[in-house]
Amino acid sequence: DQQVKQNSPSLSVQEGRISILNCDYTNSMFDYFLWYKKYPAEGPTFLISISSIKDKNEDGRFTVFLNKSAKHLSLHIVPSQPGDSAVYFCAAFSSNYKLTFGKGTLLTVNP
Amino acid sequence: EAGVAQSPRYKIIEKRQSVAFWCNPISGHATLYWYQQILGQGPKLLIQFQNNGVVDDSQLPKDRFSAERLKGVDSTLKIQPAKLEDSAVYLCASSSTAARQPQHFGDGTRLSIL
Repeated sequence: DQQVKQNSPSLSVQEGRISILNCDYTNSMFDYFLWYKKYPAEGPTFLISISSIKDKNEDGRFTVFLNKSAKHLSLHIVPSQPGDSAVYFCAAFSSNYKLTFGKGTLLTVNP
Repeated sequence: EAGVAQSPRYKIIEKRQSVAFWCNPISGHATLYWYQQILGQGPKLLIQFQNNGVVDDSQLPKDRFSAERLKGVDSTLKIQPAKLEDSAVYLCASSSTAARQPQHFGDGTRLSIL
């Protein structure tokens, strides 16, 4: 049972444009969400997070939006750069501090 | 600060053999996690330690997997005997607390079972 769903396995965008990565969740007990970025042969690295009491968090080129009623969050990258090409994982904390990951979305930013 | 260290980076064994992975977390991080990442999937938590005590091992296949963190610092994860379905990347992560803190990951051990 996939509680965190990233329905797009891959996404391709042009350099300078916006990248939008989507994530849906089914467990209403999730209360804190994170995005991780992963390059090949490396471990995931933390990118940005958002608490369930907020609907937006911004850090430089990265913004995460949370729509609790729709159980949906998205990561916006503006402007996209070739170095952003990686697999992006959405993850969620439940009240017992257990982190559940989605399957990931491969982002390719073309020069 | 130095990151999470894992070894070996790669391991190839035959089914029914045993294998062990080692992890040294970021200095001062009390919480340590082992994850299994199968190709095309997200990381799945196997076991979580708080200092040298187990907090959650509900998804650890205890008939073949074991883990320990005896002195509350580094940790080992063992598989004995290995099955074909254990082929995956094994990731170690650490965080300063068990609360909603971002976990810092090592680069993982890629295990291939022949």
